[in-house]
Amino acid sequence: KNQVEQSPQSLIILEGKNCTLQCNYTVSPFSNLRWYKQDTGRGPVSLTIMTFSENTKSNGRYTATLDADTKQSSLHITASQLSDSASYICVVSGGGSYIPTFGRGTSLIVHP
Amino acid sequence: DGGITQSPKYLFRKEGQNVTLSCEQNLNHDAMYWYRQDPGQGLRLIYYSQIVNDFQKGDIAEGYSVSREKKESFPLTVTSAQKNPTAFYLCASSSQTGTNTEAFFGQGTRLTVV
Repeated sequence: KNQVEQSPQSLIILEGKNCTLQCNYTVSPFSNLRWYKQDTGRGPVSLTIMTFSENTKSNGRYTATLDADTKQSSLHITASQLSDSASYICVVSGGGSYIPTFGRGTSLIVHP
Repeated sequence: DGGITQSPKYLFRKEGQNVTLSCEQNLNHDAMYWYRQDPGQGLRLIYYSQIVNDFQKGDIAEGYSVSREKKESFPLTVTSAQKNPTAFYLCASSSQTGTNTEAFFGQGTRLTVV
């Protein structure tokens, strides 16, 4: 069964600090992996997409990594800001279906 | 602007009533989806549609119904058979070509049973 597991479930950090969120998946064959940011009460918005051949991709202060061999991805947030407080969702496509598999998300709270 | 629009943003339903959530997209996407999100939970797939006049049940379709009469529209009806409908509902759409297809989400509808 296609699964996406995210850790930690929640995270609290101080403004200006860095943090890393983890995503492990079993989806096979792999097509792509996306990280979404979801602000409270709003729809998710795509941050990055990674395909099989990509190891690292950055979007401003967000850097995603992918290890397709171990089926792991991480999202690193540098110099966190209060506006980074949100849920971060890992979504993996593949597994013989065009329906993507969603992780449960990591809830990040950034305190001043 | 191109995008996907859900309405209303907030919806209140009395027990025993059916309510319909609207989802419209002008991205020319073939695929559309409805998800349900409960507090602290991930997104769960209710229904999806790959093409006009065709749709498939997702993981939690019981108590819900959909239609896809137009490519741009994919309304979701929450029926009285859904025993716990209070949740945040998200509609999404995506193209089905290529390996880098992105799902675009609406802003969601928060449904509350009163």
